[in-house]
Amino acid sequence: GENVEQHPSTLSVQEGDSAVIKCTYSDSASNYFPWYKQELGKRPQLIIDIRSNVGEKKDQRIAVTLNKTAKHFSLHITETQPEDSAVYFCAASKTGGSYIPTFGRGTSLIVHP
Amino acid sequence: EAGVAQSPRYKIIEKRQSVAFWCNPISGHATLYWYQQILGQGPKLLIQFQNNGVVDDSQLPKDRFSAERLKGVDSTLKIQPAKLEDSAVYLCASRSSGTLAKNIQYFGAGTRLSVL
Repeated sequence: GENVEQHPSTLSVQEGDSAVIKCTYSDSASNYFPWYKQELGKRPQLIIDIRSNVGEKKDQRIAVTLNKTAKHFSLHITETQPEDSAVYFCAASKTGGSYIPTFGRGTSLIVHP
Repeated sequence: EAGVAQSPRYKIIEKRQSVAFWCNPISGHATLYWYQQILGQGPKLLIQFQNNGVVDDSQLPKDRFSAERLKGVDSTLKIQPAKLEDSAVYLCASRSSGTLAKNIQYFGAGTRLSVL
């Protein structure tokens, strides 16, 4: 089955800096990669996703890049703000049929004001 | 639209006791998932339903865990008897089968279980 590795487990940055979280996956058939943000005590919420036919996707301060050959994808947050502090999870899955994403272990992002 | 509802939010039980969690997915969502999220880890799938049928329960510890979705809407997850290592947040998620939003999972707030 699919295996998703996520690094780092903890990331501490100063407000205004950029943050990068990286994930690798094992199943070359995976073609959909969502990212979730989970604030303390709250539900995971989808913040951005990317499909394998696209190399990069951007939404305001958040961007995701995908390298299918190397089987890794990354989340980039620019101009970080204290409200970006949360745990971020990457996931990988195949679309079509039963959709069962495999999640990474999460990255705790701390943005210091 | 209303979100995924879960109850209770918190539950504290002693080992060997039984516990049940309830989930009401977003209206019209055919697919429902139960995940176990242990502190410091990502969500791990326990079971996936499509309407009232089980799609995948390969990671469900069937000797103690059971789940049902009898009418294809609400679902319950039960643990009997509970062990200390079952302490975790149990997340329910649902997904639409519509084309545009097909792969987006919506999560509930979860039930935090503490087994003493």
